[in-house]
Amino acid sequence: GAGVSQTPSNKVTEKGKYVELRCDPISGHTALYWYRQSLGQGPEFLIYFQGTGAADDSGLPNDRFFAVRPEGSVSTLKIQRTERGDSAVYLCASSTGGGLETQYFGPGTRLLVL
Amino acid sequence: EDQVTQSPEALRLQEGESSSLNCSYTVSGLRGLFWYRQDPGKGPEFLFTLYSAGEEKEKERLKATLTKKESFLHITAPKPEDSATYLCAVQVERNNRLAFGKGNQVVVIP
Repeated sequence: GAGVSQTPSNKVTEKGKYVELRCDPISGHTALYWYRQSLGQGPEFLIYFQGTGAADDSGLPNDRFFAVRPEGSVSTLKIQRTERGDSAVYLCASSTGGGLETQYFGPGTRLLVL
Repeated sequence: EDQVTQSPEALRLQEGESSSLNCSYTVSGLRGLFWYRQDPGKGPEFLFTLYSAGEEKEKERLKATLTKKESFLHITAPKPEDSATYLCAVQVERNNRLAFGKGNQVVVIP
């Protein structure tokens, strides 16, 4: 079956611009996670949705970052006033529920802020 | 604070040369430990979940084990296609996030 998909696969933007990254989870998965991975590092948690609501957004680095999941399926990660330090791979994962279920990852969006 | 440390950071193996990767963790209330494989330019691919000390799981040339302080990923008679970064992550009882280590980068030389 179809896995987690993310678009775009690559995004190049200029410092100060606004970007949106999209995640389409595995069909039927109620839990959705966003992580950020810098070069040579493991993924770092950003936010977790259970259904439509953000159950845990404590990993968002500052108020320039925001994510939504209005219908409990597709999610969008939004970054305002991008900075060069935001350059990273943004990974999305989904699972059947919010407990110890396996999180399945998408291919990521590579964001480069010039 | 939950800590996950993986060693060695990088490892070069000859094809057929078995080895082990280490993941040590310091957490409060471990719910599960996960191993993922990540190829360059790709997202992490799930390998194993271990829940309690003493548990072992196997898949082809890979075997994962868990103690109260660490996990090992044993690679038996590796092939070049086993070249990847192997990521260890923990999930604790108080939240659902995964906390990852930096990974073990493995290169298997033919």
